[in-house]
Amino acid sequence: DTEVTQTPKHLVMGMTNKKSLKCEQHMGHRAMYWYKQKAKKPPELMFVYSYEKLSINESVPSRFSPECPNSSLLNLHLHALQPEDSALYLCASSPGVTGQHVNEQFFGPGTRLTVL
Amino acid sequence: AQTVTQSQPEMSVQEAETVTLSCTYDTSESDYYLFWYKQPPSRQMILVIRQEAYKQQNATENRFSVNFQKAAKSFSLKISDSQLGDAAMYFCAYRSPSGGSNYKLTFGKGTLLTVNP
Repeated sequence: DTEVTQTPKHLVMGMTNKKSLKCEQHMGHRAMYWYKQKAKKPPELMFVYSYEKLSINESVPSRFSPECPNSSLLNLHLHALQPEDSALYLCASSPGVTGQHVNEQFFGPGTRLTVL
Repeated sequence: AQTVTQSQPEMSVQEAETVTLSCTYDTSESDYYLFWYKQPPSRQMILVIRQEAYKQQNATENRFSVNFQKAAKSFSLKISDSQLGDAAMYFCAYRSPSGGSNYKLTFGKGTLLTVNP
């Protein structure tokens, strides 16, 4: 299994809603990432998990809350989002974070989020 | 900090022809990794090709090849025999091999490639 899966594919939510995005990989990768991507722009890194621990938070607002329940699963909990948070949210994984095992990042298909 | 520049926001190519996408980067590091990612309208980012800076030989993957000029800090992607399925946004990306920020991919702004039948 060489893919990263993400659910749901599309999500529409109001500013008072609470929702979650899910990402899963079964490649044995020990690093997982959340990116935000606006249309026709490159992805922007949000969070990095290494060995199930949050290692990087790129100054993301607290209305985004990541969670890594196990080495294969990564969640992004959303609460009180703003319309400007509407974007494509991409998950990625890589063998590791440091040293020779970083290699490339494998991306999931993304969740298209619309905040009304 | 490293920067990646893709100077061509859009490019077009005729089917079966060859096209070259340009990428330049700025870094003070001597060892690093460079990548080309493809993102078709279906959205999924797919790795096209990878180049390690310590390797002088240019990477090749089937119809995709790179021209890596380390001294010039240039990393262009050549697509031969272009196919309709090559139409996508192409991102050039840089990654440090080690150190505090090596988790991070620094992306260029992307080049939107159109393939005309």
